Amino acid sequence: EAQVTQNPRYLITVTGKKLTVTCSQNMNHEYMSWYRQDPGLGLRQIYYSMNVEVTDKGDVPEGYKVSRKEKRNFPLILESPSPNQTSLYFCASSSAGADTQYFGPGTRLTVL
Amino acid sequence: AQSVAQPEDQVNVAEGNPLTVKCTYSVSGNPYLFWYVQYPNRGLQFLLKYITGDNLVKGSYGFEAEFNKSQTSFHLKKPSALVSDSALYFCEGAAGNKLTFGGGTRVLVKP
Repeated sequence: EAQVTQNPRYLITVTGKKLTVTCSQNMNHEYMSWYRQDPGLGLRQIYYSMNVEVTDKGDVPEGYKVSRKEKRNFPLILESPSPNQTSLYFCASSSAGADTQYFGPGTRLTVL
Repeated sequence: AQSVAQPEDQVNVAEGNPLTVKCTYSVSGNPYLFWYVQYPNRGLQFLLKYITGDNLVKGSYGFEAEFNKSQTSFHLKKPSALVSDSALYFCEGAAGNKLTFGGGTRVLVKP
């Protein structure tokens, strides 16, 4: 089954404790991206990757890091999480940037 | 700068009535436009897209959207809404690798 998986689905952590949210896709897609969803703000792109070792900033990259060492994986790293990063996070993949995106189920992060 | 606007936070409609969810865009060049739907506790699911060609695009679950270049709009429509259409709807504009989503519109279909 074609899918995008994210782990963990739920995470509660404390300020400053580094964390990683994993994202994996099995569709051999070149383009992957991370979004955060906040009430009234819709989805905002954090980072995206056009291919292995090629990443670029989206609209809200501050406080986040990403890597793309393998085509299928695109982890999101919060080196020092802060409460304003409490949000619902989605990973997505597509064959190209301007193409249909396939979304993961989301990760609900709470930073205390 | 690229932008996508969904002017209505919520749309209420009675079951069986037509449903319209509005979207306007400001995307450089020839825009690629998409609609996605999000059900509670789920990721977004693709509904339909406009890339080129016919301005009326048909998608999943009986939805369609009309691309209007002069009004820079891409409104989502359904002739007869169902209670199961109640969800959060997002419009997206894409130009190259730059993707922008609207703020989302919550649709509530009442029996």
